[in-house]
Amino acid sequence: EAGVAQSPRYKIIEKRQSVAFWCNPISGHATLYWYQQILGQGPKLLIQFQNNGVVDDSQLPKDRFSAERLKGVDSTLKIQPAKLEDSAVYLCASSSYPGTQETQYFGPGTRLLVL
Amino acid sequence: AQSVTQLGSHVSVSEGALVLLRCNYSSSVPPYLFWYVQYPNQGLQLLLKYTSAATLVKGINGFEAEFKKSETSFHLTKPSAHMRDAAEYFCAVKDQAGTALIFGKGTTLSVSS
Repeated sequence: EAGVAQSPRYKIIEKRQSVAFWCNPISGHATLYWYQQILGQGPKLLIQFQNNGVVDDSQLPKDRFSAERLKGVDSTLKIQPAKLEDSAVYLCASSSYPGTQETQYFGPGTRLLVL
Repeated sequence: AQSVTQLGSHVSVSEGALVLLRCNYSSSVPPYLFWYVQYPNQGLQLLLKYTSAATLVKGINGFEAEFKKSETSFHLTKPSAHMRDAAEYFCAVKDQAGTALIFGKGTTLSVSS
């Protein structure tokens, strides 16, 4: 079974530029999550999708971050314009359903550096 | 709000020694607790999870954790450390109403020969 795929693995941009990350979850997984992991901290949820609908985006900085999952499969997370504090690893995870006991499977992450 | 606190940002042990990584949680309802491991430049991998079926949970790679409600703890242990265990370990809690994982800040485990 293929795992969660993410691209690119690394990205370096200058502040005020835009950037996009892509995630392809495990086949058949209805729930998709984007987490932000700042150096020295644990991952923090940015947004959760159930199929192509948003379940929780309460911690997404909506003035600069956007995310979509149009066909209920893969997803794109965008930052525009980027700030220095957006430097982090962006992790995508998926689960077959959003239950409390359900395991979330994580991709390798995209490491973003904003200069 | 639910939260987890991992005591000790860095733990160093010798190969063959006991590994103990501490996690305390704060929750107003029975929690679901998880331990994840992150190797360099990789995503997080589930080690084990507590889902109220048993207080002692066995996971992969010889790790186990014990849920102690009276101490609000879910410490991770392994009887004998191996070099390949060197990684960052995250404790996480999930509340019953939502499904987002809330992570601790992580503990980096170093294993020396």
